[in-house]
Amino acid sequence: KAGVTQTPRYLIKTRGQQVTLSCSPISGHRSVSWYQQTPGQGLQFLFEYFSETQRNKGNFPGRFSGRQFSNSRSEMNVSTLELGDSALYLCASSWTGGFGETQYFGPGTRLLVL
Amino acid sequence: KNQVEQSPQSLIILEGKNCTLQCNYTVSPFSNLRWYKQDTGRGPVSLTIMTFSENTKSNGRYTATLDADTKQSSLHITASQLSDSASYICVVSGDSANQAGTALIFGKGTTLSVSS
Repeated sequence: KAGVTQTPRYLIKTRGQQVTLSCSPISGHRSVSWYQQTPGQGLQFLFEYFSETQRNKGNFPGRFSGRQFSNSRSEMNVSTLELGDSALYLCASSWTGGFGETQYFGPGTRLLVL
Repeated sequence: KNQVEQSPQSLIILEGKNCTLQCNYTVSPFSNLRWYKQDTGRGPVSLTIMTFSENTKSNGRYTATLDADTKQSSLHITASQLSDSASYICVVSGDSANQAGTALIFGKGTTLSVSS
């Protein structure tokens, strides 16, 4: 069974641009969560989608948004990019995102904002 | 404020030696605690998930302990191998009704280097 895949793997953008990242969960998983990882702040939770609905949201500005499609694939969008948005963006999937479930992470998309 | 603090920040040990990583948290209410291993350039991989009632949980050479009273957890690695070189991240979930949501609080990780 294929793991979580993320595209693109690397991305370079300039300030003010917008970017869309894609995540395909493990087949059958309906929960997709997004995380931002930086050296200074570590891993931080962005949001979680389940059955096409945003179920939970972390403490990030509205420039960060996402959506989930009927096949559970998810996209994350960041508008008006800032230098501080340079990070590794990880997505993780699980069956239901429920209590005690293991999340499976993708390899991440490394975003560099110049 | 909900926080997860890990120590040490980094650690260098010789192959074959044991080591223990610490995780202290102030998250309340507590739901579960997870340890992840993250190799350089890759996404985190789950090692263990521990609930309030579990004190010890093993996964091969990795043994996690949890003391919910003192809000401390440790990850013990036995007979370390070169492949154990990675970042180890402690994650605490603070709301039993909101497992993957805003209640997930991450530590900044411990970077372990195992040398031959």
